[in-house]
Parts: sequence; C-alpha cells; structure tokens
Amino acid sequence: GQNIDQPTEMTATEGAIVQINCTYQTSGFNGLFWYQQHAGEAPTFLSYNVLDGLEEKGRFSSFLSRSKGYSYLLLKELQMKDSASYLCAVRDRRNSGGYQKVTFGTGTKLQVIP
Amino acid sequence: SAVISQKPSRDICQRGTSLTIQCQVDSQVTMMFWYRQQPGQSLTLIATANQGSEATYESGFVIDKFPISRPNLTFSTLTVSNMSPEDSSIYLCSGWRETQYFGPGTRLLVL
Repeated sequence: GQNIDQPTEMTATEGAIVQINCTYQTSGFNGLFWYQQHAGEAPTFLSYNVLDGLEEKGRFSSFLSRSKGYSYLLLKELQMKDSASYLCAVRDRRNSGGYQKVTFGTGTKLQVIP
Repeated sequence: SAVISQKPSRDICQRGTSLTIQCQVDSQVTMMFWYRQQPGQSLTLIATANQGSEATYESGFVIDKFPISRPNLTFSTLTVSNMSPEDSSIYLCSGWRETQYFGPGTRLLVL
C-alpha cells in the first residue's frame, strides 16, 4: 500500500515564498505529481517528478528525493489567487500487469493573506 | 492536453435510486479513472475503467455498487447504485495521456 503525508493547512503572506512538503512510502515508485485545486473545482496539473532534483516552472518549483521519499512544492511571489488546496499524488506499479496507479494525499490548504 | 467533460454536473437524488455519470474525453487517452472526493477531503480512487473489460476496483469499492463501462478510448460511465446519503460526494473522471487530467466533477447529493 501507500502512505502519503502532507500538512493539512498553511498560511503565507502575499509576495512571500512558501514550501509545501510531502512524504511518501510506496513500493514500485514511478513518479510524483503536484496538483492545485481551488474550492469547488477539479484539480489542475502543476508538476510531475520522476527523477531526483528540482523542476522549475515559472513561480512554481517541485523537488523530489526518491531515497528519502520526500518532495516539496515551492511557490514564489505568492498571489492571492494561489489560495487553494495543493495535492501530492504518487504513481506506482501494481504487482501484476505493470498497471500504473496514482494515489492522492489528503492535500494542503494554503491561505494567502495580504 | 486532454479536455474532459462530465454529465450531469450536479444532481440531487433520492435514496435507493441509481445515477449514471458520463465522462467524455476530447481525444484518446491510455487510461481512464473514477475518483470520489468527499467535502473537504482529498481524492479517493474508485476504479480504473478498462476498455472492453471489467473495471479494476480499489479496496472498499465493488462492481455491484459502482458499475463502470468503457466502450471505447474516449468514453466511460460510472453508475452509483442503490444510493444512500453516504454516497453524497463529488465524482471525478480522469484520463491519462502523458499526465493525468480531470473532468469538472459531478456533485451528487443523496437525500
């Protein structure tokens, strides 16, 4: 099975930087996603890390350490519209058939304040 | 990218009835999934919709309660059968092609 942990809530100030951590335990790891979900909306894709290191995409960056079972999402120059839930999701292989399954963490609700 | 639509967007149903949710993708995807998201919670995978064969269900979900069809590479349905208030949730269709995309969700309220 899988175990994915991330903080439940975080608060940060507009213009600042915030780091949202995610730790996981899984067999057959095959990638980690970060999604953004605004209240009442579907999740939208932010990043996908398969290899160790930092992936930068505009104001958002995502880091992965497979040996530590650890990832973080870094949001820079925070804007009010960044207030949302951020979901960490891990992709792995089932034992049979090589099927890829994606399991979501409970999400981190980020509130950006003026 | 893939654009995913779902019908209905929301519904209010009486307990004991069934509702079928449709999911349409604008282009072929490798895999399709159905998730449930209860208020304030994260996404829980119900099953993987397999084309032309029975869906693969996750622990805690069974075919009699959540029958799924996937007749082709761009369409799937999820039925919530014999509904109870505990089934009130958002049901999300998802497709995989290089990455995972989500539909807008179907908000279901069971009275």
